[in-house]
Amino acid sequence: SQELEQSPQSLIVQEGKNLTINCTSSKTLYGLYWYKQKYGEGLIFLMMLQKGGEEKSHEKITAKLDEKKQQSSLHITASQPSHAGIYLCGADRSGNTPLVFGKGTRLSVIA
Amino acid sequence: EADIYQTPRYLVIGTGKKITLECSQTMGHDKMYWYQQDPGMELHLIHYSYGVNSTEKGDLSSESTVSRIRTEHFPLTLESARPSHTSQYLCASSELSGVEKLFFGSGTQLSVL
Repeated sequence: SQELEQSPQSLIVQEGKNLTINCTSSKTLYGLYWYKQKYGEGLIFLMMLQKGGEEKSHEKITAKLDEKKQQSSLHITASQPSHAGIYLCGADRSGNTPLVFGKGTRLSVIA
Repeated sequence: EADIYQTPRYLVIGTGKKITLECSQTMGHDKMYWYQQDPGMELHLIHYSYGVNSTEKGDLSSESTVSRIRTEHFPLTLESARPSHTSQYLCASSELSGVEKLFFGSGTQLSVL
């Protein structure tokens, strides 16, 4: 079974629309990381959440970690073509172990 | 900007060949990782290292080996490539602190015929 479940698997939105991607863990998280991947490329770090209830924003992207530290959401406001790509969440279980990743959410933004 | 490099970018080889995928970083990071990624699937950790002369196997059973003789270099070797090894291989590095902010290379897309 998957340690990290991401939903939806894929998403097509019209430019300017808001969207939310979810990441649910079967275990309590020490830290939750969001990355973005362009097709065929490596991953780029977006942000990291560690505290229950924490929320971080960068430009038009906001990520939240719930109080129980088992679910995170990534929200994009007024989406643009540059937001297109694959968004992956990564889980840190103990603070000194390699990240475990979800399958990713493929986002397409159409004009 | 991340200073981590993978070569080759693409590789097509025949079954049974020995290959080495190169990964180098210029950030002085102690931690380095190899992940394998198939389309639409999660990244699977195959090897990692927390410093020179220290290597560990990851969750994915792999017929590959790694070495860490220098901090900046973490090559991955397949002694005898098979079609089941066809995949994208991603190298990453991070600092030794508890925060796992990974910097990724652009990946090597391997096709074994």
